[in-house]
Amino acid sequence: TQLLEQSPQFLSIQEGENLTVYCNSSSVFSSLQWYRQEPGEGPVLLVTVVTGGEVKKLKRLTFQFGDARKDSSLHITAAQPGDTGLYLCAGQNSGGSNYKLTFGKGTLLTVNP
Amino acid sequence: GAVVSQHPSRVICKSGTSVKIECRSLDFQATTMFWYRQFPKQSLMLMATSNEGSKATYEQGVEKDKFLINHASLTLSTLTVTSAHPEDSSFYICSARGKQGTLLNYGYTFGSGTRLTVV
Repeated sequence: TQLLEQSPQFLSIQEGENLTVYCNSSSVFSSLQWYRQEPGEGPVLLVTVVTGGEVKKLKRLTFQFGDARKDSSLHITAAQPGDTGLYLCAGQNSGGSNYKLTFGKGTLLTVNP
Repeated sequence: GAVVSQHPSRVICKSGTSVKIECRSLDFQATTMFWYRQFPKQSLMLMATSNEGSKATYEQGVEKDKFLINHASLTLSTLTVTSAHPEDSSFYICSARGKQGTLLNYGYTFGSGTRLTVV
């Protein structure tokens, strides 16, 4: 069974601060996805990283995929209250059955004004 | 972009009754559907995976007879919670996957979830 360790689980910061969320695994993933979820809604895809060492930017969000494709990070610069939500990383193993996603436990981010 | 419609968004039912949740892919063919359960402030827990026209594959610990999944067409999958009890109260989310390479996000699109409350 593949596991994704996501940290921190809870994060409460002030507006304008920077933060980083980590996802680590002992397994190799063919791709890794980051989602953001608001209460009462389904997860919304932020980014998919596929290539080891890949870095993708989405406005103030920077996503990185480890060289060995076992870990990933999400960095938010100058966080805003609108960034508040549950952030989930999910790894896909194309070698497995049905292309199941393995989810991390999530990071509940609160950005205080 | 790919859209998955999940209904109902909220449902309250009496203990002992059954509830059906529908998940439809609106503009693509969902070869695989995934059903998740989520507790407050926690991550998604995969319950089962279903391919169109095949029996669902359930994760360990998930009761097949309690959570009936049907994936009769490439655009519709249903989850029926049978003989619901208060402990089944949760947020249920479906995810649909199209054929590899046909969608930019590698094929995963999530529904908006169903809040089930069993009283």
